Amino acid sequence: NAGVTQTPKFQVLKTGQSMTLQCAQDMNHEYMSWYRQDPGMGLRLIHYSVGAGITDQGEVPNGYNVSRSTTEDFPLRLLSAAPSQTSVYFCASRSGTGKSYTFGSGTRLTVV
Amino acid sequence: GESVGLHLPTLSVQEGDNSIINCAYSNSASDYFIWYKQESGKGPQFIIDIRSNMDKRQGQRVTVLLNKTVKHLSLQIAATQPGDSAVYFCAETSPYSSASKIIFGSGTRLSIRP
Repeated sequence: NAGVTQTPKFQVLKTGQSMTLQCAQDMNHEYMSWYRQDPGMGLRLIHYSVGAGITDQGEVPNGYNVSRSTTEDFPLRLLSAAPSQTSVYFCASRSGTGKSYTFGSGTRLTVV
Repeated sequence: GESVGLHLPTLSVQEGDNSIINCAYSNSASDYFIWYKQESGKGPQFIIDIRSNMDKRQGQRVTVLLNKTVKHLSLQIAATQPGDSAVYFCAETSPYSSASKIIFGSGTRLSIRP
């Protein structure tokens, strides 16, 4: 099993550009989430999904969109990148019966 | 590259000693707590969890203690090894939040002295 796979691992964007961070899991997990991690601030929840076709906002959703058309994939879209979105982004998933998340290895995004 | 968590509190421990990492939580309704370990350049990894109806839970070389009275959680690592160097996060969830929401603390960096 690959677990949770995130691509790309690194990305540099110019202010105003848009892009999609990919996340895929092969564990048939119902729940998936996106977190961002900034120095000294732990992980903050951006968006989450409790199943295909269902998404909801977390703590810091502004500037990001998500969709969940399949159980496996949960892409995160940056609509118009801003320097404040420079961060490390983690995707995570868990089963409906479990409570502990499995995390991907992260995408380090820099917006200049 | 820049390391996530540059400004985190740091605990420095001699190799072979025991480590104790502390965490305070604010939501008295939280009923489930998790400790994660994050090594440099990697995503958080589950270490151990505890439910609110327990005070203590032990794993391999790790013990989690929960004090609900003062809303405090601790992670004890026995005989600390170089491989324990990482940032440690506590996380909590409550039955009143969405099933998918897990709230993370800001983390503590554990540094091992040889």
